[in-house]
Amino acid sequence: GAVVSQHPSRVICKSGTSVKIECRSLDFQATTMFWYRQFPKQSLMLMATSNEGSKATYEQGVEKDKFLINHASLTLSTLTVTSAHPEDSSFYICSAPSPSGSSDEQYFGPGTRLTVT
Amino acid sequence: AQTVTQSQPEMSVQEAETVTLSCTYDTSESDYYLFWYKQPPSRQMILVIRQEAYKQQNATENRFSVNFQKAAKSFSLKISDSQLGDAAMYFCAYRSRYNNNDMRFGAGTRLTVKP
Repeated sequence: GAVVSQHPSRVICKSGTSVKIECRSLDFQATTMFWYRQFPKQSLMLMATSNEGSKATYEQGVEKDKFLINHASLTLSTLTVTSAHPEDSSFYICSAPSPSGSSDEQYFGPGTRLTVT
Repeated sequence: AQTVTQSQPEMSVQEAETVTLSCTYDTSESDYYLFWYKQPPSRQMILVIRQEAYKQQNATENRFSVNFQKAAKSFSLKISDSQLGDAAMYFCAYRSRYNNNDMRFGAGTRLTVKP
């Protein structure tokens, strides 16, 4: 099946700094990618939808200026957590819709664990 | 808005036995997709099985099968001949057929498999 990668898998940063997470579709093109956040022992919450060539669509309650999303190409979307704080520590997962015509499935990246100290 | 409910935070099963994980959802749409995803300790989300709402036949994938009751808005997952590798978090998910962006996850059920 289609493969989605994320980099880095783990990152530790100091409070007040920014960190960028990359999401790549390795063997298919994705005009849309999704960014989720998962707190420990909780479910996935959709943060935003990344659209190639246009602005991202954010879910209600998600700060656009804090979580910057850029869909630079058909295979790459980035999430930048700006001025990170300890409460931003979480597991971030990206996904992309199936490249097949049915488009009923999402392929998930392996996730990025962010720790803000 | 659509909601997905998994009422079993944790479940346990003996190896080789059968276990059923429950999921209910709420929607006003008539056509949609339902999924069960597995998240092992590696945290990689893995699709276990999918069901299209307009199909009455229950989906089956090897040892995994679903009991889809559209009128009751219920979508349970049955794992037969449980294996140690089945131990993971299982998430039920709903996706609108009309909005690719709208995928909702349940809270998850942690499945333990006892040897």
